Amino acid sequence: EVQLVESGGGLVHPGGSLRLSCAASGFTFSSYWMTWVRQAQGKGLEWVANIKQDGSEKYYVDSMKGRFTISRDNAKNSLYLQMNSLRAEDTAIYYCARVFYYDTTSSGLYFDYWGQGALVTVSS
Amino acid sequence: DIQMTQSPSSLSGSVGDRVTITCRASQSISSYLNWYQQKPGKAPKLLIYAASSLQSGVPSRFSGSGSGTDFTLTISSLQPEDFATYFCQQSYSTLTFGGGTKVEIK
Repeated sequence: EVQLVESGGGLVHPGGSLRLSCAASGFTFSSYWMTWVRQAQGKGLEWVANIKQDGSEKYYVDSMKGRFTISRDNAKNSLYLQMNSLRAEDTAIYYCARVFYYDTTSSGLYFDYWGQGALVTVSS
Repeated sequence: DIQMTQSPSSLSGSVGDRVTITCRASQSISSYLNWYQQKPGKAPKLLIYAASSLQSGVPSRFSGSGSGTDFTLTISSLQPEDFATYFCQQSYSTLTFGGGTKVEIK
C-alpha cells in the first residue's frame, strides 16, 4: 500500500524557517517524480514544487522561488521542503504527493497519491 | 501562468441528481486536465485525468469531457459520499488548479 506521511509542520515566526519531510513507503520511491502542494485554510490548492527521480531537475512556482527548496533522499525514501523567509501568507497545509506521468510528454501528469498534510502556521 | 476558472463555486444537489461542474482555461491546454475530489480534513483524490480518463477505482458515475479551454466534470447520479469539493488542474504548463466547486446537500 502506498503511503506518504508528512512531518515537520508547526508554528514559526515571520522570517523564520521550517523543514518539512515526507516519508514514502509501498512503492519504489526512486522511480517517481514527487511534488509539494499547499492549501490555505478554506482556500484552493496551490502547486509548490516538483523534483525528478534523481533530484537533478527541480521546478518551483514563481512566488516561492528562492525561498523554498525541494530535495529528496532516495536512500531514506524521503522528500523534503526547506522553507525560508516565511511569511504569514505561507500559512497552509502542505501536502506531498506522487507524480505519475501517463504519456511521454512533460505535460501528461497527475498526482495519484497524497499524504495527509502538514500544517504550517506563520505568525508572531 | 494559465488561469483555471471553475463554475459554479458551489452548488446544492439531492441524491440522484445529475451534476455538472465546468472548468475553463485562460488558454488552450489540449486535454491536459485533471479532476480531484476533496472531502473536509482529507487530501485530494484523483478522479479523472487527461480530461476524460477515469482513474482506477473511481465509480463510473463520474465522467469528464472537453479539450482546448472548456472542460466539464459530470456526476450522473449524486450519491451521499459525493458531497465534497472538486478541483480541476491543468498540467499543460506551470501547474495550476481551479478555485474549487463545493457540492452540498440540498
